[in-house]
Amino acid sequence: EDQVTQSPEALRLQEGESSSLNCSYTVSGLRGLFWYRQDPGKGPEFLFTLYSAGEEKEKERLKATLTKKESFLHITAPKPEDSATYLCAVQAFGSGNTGKLIFGQGTTLQVKP
Amino acid sequence: DSGVTQTPKHLITATGQRVTLRCSPRSGDLSVYWYQQSLDQGLQFLIQYYNGEERAKGNILERFSAQQFPDLHSELNLSSLELGDSALYFCASSVTTPSGEQFFGPGTRLTVL
Repeated sequence: EDQVTQSPEALRLQEGESSSLNCSYTVSGLRGLFWYRQDPGKGPEFLFTLYSAGEEKEKERLKATLTKKESFLHITAPKPEDSATYLCAVQAFGSGNTGKLIFGQGTTLQVKP
Repeated sequence: DSGVTQTPKHLITATGQRVTLRCSPRSGDLSVYWYQQSLDQGLQFLIQYYNGEERAKGNILERFSAQQFPDLHSELNLSSLELGDSALYFCASSVTTPSGEQFFGPGTRLTVL
């Protein structure tokens, strides 16, 4: 069964304190791995797509990396406005001809000034 | 703003009732996905349409149904509502399927009393 696990569930950082969020996945062939940011009561906001092991993507203070079993979202020198829930999702070849996303439970990040 | 619109933003109704949630995808996107987000289950895929045709079903109850119209907007119909149906319902759209990024709408918060 395709599965996505994120850790930690919650993370508290001081402003400027860099850290990483983990997303472990078990899928029947990875079609793509996606990172989203979600603010309370809002829809997920697309951040990155990764397709193959070794791939990296960057956007401002965020950098996403991918291996054959997991992905990391590195946050460098975070600011309070980076506080949100970060969601990891996968598309699997085993899902057939559908693009459905399988989501992890998310990591809730709080950055204190 | 992702370009995906959903109405209404909030819906409060009673058990046993029927409601309709509406979604307009981004301009040019042919595929529409519906997801349910509850506190204990996280984001769960419900159903996908591509250019008017049903493409895939996920954990969608028989009491729920959906359709995509010729102008590509989609509606999710929820009937015989139960307390446990209270959740955030998100619509997402993508240009193609099965690969590619999905862009989410702001969601409809359904409360069943």
